[in-house]
Amino acid sequence: EPEVTQTPSHQVTQMGQEVILRCVPISNHLYFYWYRQILGQKVEFLVSFYNNEISEKSEIFDDQFSVERPDGSNFTLKIRSTKLEDSAMYFCASSEYQGSFTEAFFGQGTRLTVV
Amino acid sequence: RKEVEQDPGPFNVPEGATVAFNCTYSNSASQSFFWYRQDCRKEPKLLMSVYSSGNEDGRFTAQLNRASQYISLLIRDSKLSDSATYLCAVTPGDYKLSFGAGTTVTVRA
Repeated sequence: EPEVTQTPSHQVTQMGQEVILRCVPISNHLYFYWYRQILGQKVEFLVSFYNNEISEKSEIFDDQFSVERPDGSNFTLKIRSTKLEDSAMYFCASSEYQGSFTEAFFGQGTRLTVV
Repeated sequence: RKEVEQDPGPFNVPEGATVAFNCTYSNSASQSFFWYRQDCRKEPKLLMSVYSSGNEDGRFTAQLNRASQYISLLIRDSKLSDSATYLCAVTPGDYKLSFGAGTTVTVRA
């Protein structure tokens, strides 16, 4: 069964460092997303990406964040200068698009710990 | 008003019981609706889409009430393995899912 895969599963980084979280979406999906979940809180939308550009982003997704699809399979989230409050679980998701939103499938997540 | 609101629970039910809970959404233009299940510290997993006419998948039944802007999930004959957090998700636009904070269900033996 096709699935979204994310690497690494856990990353520890020093405050102020740059991190890149990686995702391989399901191969025939066209829409890609990043979400985050701070421990004990809800799943929050960060950004959606379609046709090599951002479709929508939340107010959380400020200038410190960027996304890229560097090749035909990977989708990355970069945080330029991490803060303590960036510690969270980051989920990548992908979906088909058939004229309207269809189901999104999530990867297993990357737990980011900023120290 | 929050985009998506859920009763956090917890709902503690015995095995075999029926449990039901709702989720309300604020954007009347929302088009697609889903229930996801999330186990502790894991990714959300799609449980079912919610259609206008209501739909059933085994022991799970989902309903949509557009007039009152809520969706519901009913679990019949609860199993221990149904213990999880159930996330309501709606699409206020075309390009994202907005999640509720989740409803925790604990099924006891």
